[in-house]
Amino acid sequence: QSVLTQPPSVSAAPGQKVTISCSGSSSNIGHNYVSWYQQLPGTAPKLLIYENNKRPSGIPDRFSGSKSGTSATLGITGLQTGDEADYYCGTWDSSLRAVVFGGGTKLTVL
Amino acid sequence: QVQLVQSGAEVKEPGASVKVSCKASGYTFTTYGISWVRQAPGQGLEWMGWISTYSGKPNYAQSLQGRVTVTSDTSTSTAYMELRSLRSDDTAVYYCARGQCSGGSCYSDFWGQGTLVTVPS
Repeated sequence: QSVLTQPPSVSAAPGQKVTISCSGSSSNIGHNYVSWYQQLPGTAPKLLIYENNKRPSGIPDRFSGSKSGTSATLGITGLQTGDEADYYCGTWDSSLRAVVFGGGTKLTVL
Repeated sequence: QVQLVQSGAEVKEPGASVKVSCKASGYTFTTYGISWVRQAPGQGLEWMGWISTYSGKPNYAQSLQGRVTVTSDTSTSTAYMELRSLRSDDTAVYYCARGQCSGGSCYSDFWGQGTLVTVPS
């Protein structure tokens, strides 16, 4: 059971928009920054979003992040078949004194 | 360019230890920490620990406390993760990642290719 809760799967058509939620508590998302990772099949995770809504160099602005209270959301617009991957949220948990991840969300682009 | 190159796959007997290396290049090693994350087959990401390469101070996940040790060698820009008393449920891909962890902001921006550790049951 993951500390952060994500939907197991989401799907949308090419060109459409999708959002992935990540729910936590006051000890993690509520007081710390959230990051998001994309993991394509058979590869290492890749940082998409850090500090709630910042994109590393090279990440297109189709990817966005937001946070409100104890929840965070990853948004992806203009979906492409290449976006099919598992997406994970992560943050620091001040009570556990550890990085915690969500269980991951599998994105299918129909 | 930033690169993290990990050591190769390992097969270990239950009760044994494994030590995975992670050689960094393309940046000043002591400017960033190194996190270790593992992923069991078909499962999600599990954070194992983090080390400040500047101070050498580690921080471990409570679930692995006592079985895991993370170290770094600034002379070779290499980080190491040792896991002891291996069990079959330690079978996973182990990743190192360049990490930032301060002021409530903890994330990993570059990842190694992963090292598969197999512990037969």
